[in-house]
Amino acid sequence: GQQLNQSPQSMFIQEGEDVSMNCTSSSIFNTWLWYKQDPGEGPVLLIALYKAGELTSNGRLTAQFGITRKDSFLNISASIPSDVGIYFCAGQRAGTASKLTFGTGTRLQVTL
Amino acid sequence: DGGITQSPKYLFRKEGQNVTLSCEQNLNHDAMYWYRQDPGQGLRLIYYSQIVNDFQKGDIAEGYSVSREKKESFPLTVTSAQKNPTAFYLCASTPGTELRPQHFGDGTRLSIL
Repeated sequence: GQQLNQSPQSMFIQEGEDVSMNCTSSSIFNTWLWYKQDPGEGPVLLIALYKAGELTSNGRLTAQFGITRKDSFLNISASIPSDVGIYFCAGQRAGTASKLTFGTGTRLQVTL
Repeated sequence: DGGITQSPKYLFRKEGQNVTLSCEQNLNHDAMYWYRQDPGQGLRLIYYSQIVNDFQKGDIAEGYSVSREKKESFPLTVTSAQKNPTAFYLCASTPGTELRPQHFGDGTRLSIL
């Protein structure tokens, strides 16, 4: 099955810095989702995007649904230690029983 | 609290043995899903079910089986035919309405003895 291209694969940043990551696909999606996974736990939904061009915020997190429907971006502002984890993008297409296609993940590590 | 409960948290399988992973949800969701996660990779779909007594294969169904006898339960059996079962298994559910986000349980880590 397809997996989405997610970059960067990993990143080290200093506390207080802003973070950007993105996800691209060769085909369009109707919904883009961003999840965060802590070690040994299940992914937790951060943001859901439903319309091309949509920009949605959740606290320090902001995500955008690309105009072409083939990409999405997640920004984290003023990172803190608890932002450490793996961030996954996921896409859904209409008529596919809400199945998700996942990105390969971005591992975020924060140095104090 | 409403949510998805997976058990056990850790599971060990002997060679040639079938093992069953439990997934229960009290969210009244129609659709349920099983994923496999390997280190450094995203989640891959094993099986999914949109309604009781019906399920479909995902991308990597070989060596696995499921049942959906009750709305709230979707157990996954890892059979002896699955030659590389060591992975983190995640169960998810969604209301079933088209294009709603999936919500996940906390996973079961399966290892071979």
